[in-house]
Amino acid sequence: ETVMTQSPATLSVSPGESATLSCRASRAVSTNVAWYQQKPGQAPRLLISRASTRATGIPGRFSGSGSGTEFTLTISSLQSEDAAIYFCQQYNDWPPKTFGQGTKLEIK
Amino acid sequence: EVRLVESGGGLVQPGGSLRLSCAASGFSFRSYEMVWVRQTPGKGLEWIAFISGGSSTIYYADSVKGRFTISRDNDNDSLYLQMDSVRVEDSGFYFCARDGGGWKPFDFWGQGTLVTVSS
Repeated sequence: ETVMTQSPATLSVSPGESATLSCRASRAVSTNVAWYQQKPGQAPRLLISRASTRATGIPGRFSGSGSGTEFTLTISSLQSEDAAIYFCQQYNDWPPKTFGQGTKLEIK
Repeated sequence: EVRLVESGGGLVQPGGSLRLSCAASGFSFRSYEMVWVRQTPGKGLEWIAFISGGSSTIYYADSVKGRFTISRDNDNDSLYLQMDSVRVEDSGFYFCARDGGGWKPFDFWGQGTLVTVSS
């Protein structure tokens, strides 16, 4: 199965600044990568699909990029409500559609 | 509005059984593939089972194959996960999610139900 590795494990950023989260696939997955946001006590919410396409209702502050094995989620103009765990997922080689282990984003 | 509501979680002893349910609304349930995903401290988010709209195609993660059974009732817009021979490592939150289909991600998730396996 394709292993997804996220970095860093934890990221602490000040409000108003930008956060860059990384995800690496163990083999090429084209642009078949999604990003999810999970806040405490809540289900994951789809943010980005096809590496860079925002889901309905997701603010433009969230942007994704990458292809092949390297992917990035960038969150600009950080707000306190962006504190969450962010997961990447590949759905190029399935089953299974595998997840990264998550990056915890803290807002200072 | 798409809504998925899980139920059936709880405390179960190792070797025991539990049946999870997921009630779907707000979309044509029978037209969508559905999955179960669990979240555990040890393995993070882990896809464990997939079922096609008509139940003709089913997949399981190796970690649950032979012990868990996914099923659905399209007349009642419900998804199920029968968990047998449970182990301590099966403890965690269990989410049902709508699979976007084929080369698409899981686009809607339920709130999850907690399963605790302990003696």
